[in-house]
Amino acid sequence: EIVLTQSPATLSLSPGERATLSCRASQSVSSYLAWYQQKPGQAPRLLIYDASNRATGIPARFSGSGSGTDFTLTISSLEPEDFAVYYCQQRSNWPPAFGQGTRLEIK
Amino acid sequence: QVQLQESGPGLVKPSQTLSLTCTVSGGSISSGSYYWSWIRQPAGKGLEWIGRIYTSGSTNYNPSLKSRVTISVDTSKNQFSLKLSSVTAADTAVYYCAREMEPPSFGMFDYWGQGTLVTVSS
Repeated sequence: EIVLTQSPATLSLSPGERATLSCRASQSVSSYLAWYQQKPGQAPRLLIYDASNRATGIPARFSGSGSGTDFTLTISSLEPEDFAVYYCQQRSNWPPAFGQGTRLEIK
Repeated sequence: QVQLQESGPGLVKPSQTLSLTCTVSGGSISSGSYYWSWIRQPAGKGLEWIGRIYTSGSTNYNPSLKSRVTISVDTSKNQFSLKLSSVTAADTAVYYCAREMEPPSFGMFDYWGQGTLVTVSS
């Protein structure tokens, strides 16, 4: 079973700053990695699929990179609505599995 | 625009069976090459994939839950359903239904229901 480890657990930044979130897999997942954003009381929202492809309607300030075991979600300039919990998810090995999340909070 | 909506009891007694239904609107559940999944999230915790179904009836389950899970589909009603037997307090969670992306990006979830809280308690 592949384990996804996200870091940091909590990231405190200000609007306008750049956010860099990390997801590390316990073994290679190739490019089969997605990123989701979840706000309180809401379902997760797909941001990035296949490591670097933005989902429909996702702003260009969100970008994903990486392959193999190390992946990064970058938010180039934080907007107030970006403060939320972010999850990575792999589908390379069945069953699909999620990381434990990174909480992005306002500094 | 596809929409998914979960429904079912919010309270289930220990040892009983949890039953939820997901109704799909804005498109036919049978159109395209989509799998339809159930995912859950205990309060304050991460996400756990439970299982999925194709409209042919083909299913896949998380090995950690496989002995207790049944997912079925009713294409005439544009619905798919989850049954989880022998529940305990550990099964208390928000349950989401979700659509997987079509191949080659299957296994990633582009549409989600709003989620429904199921509490296991006597």
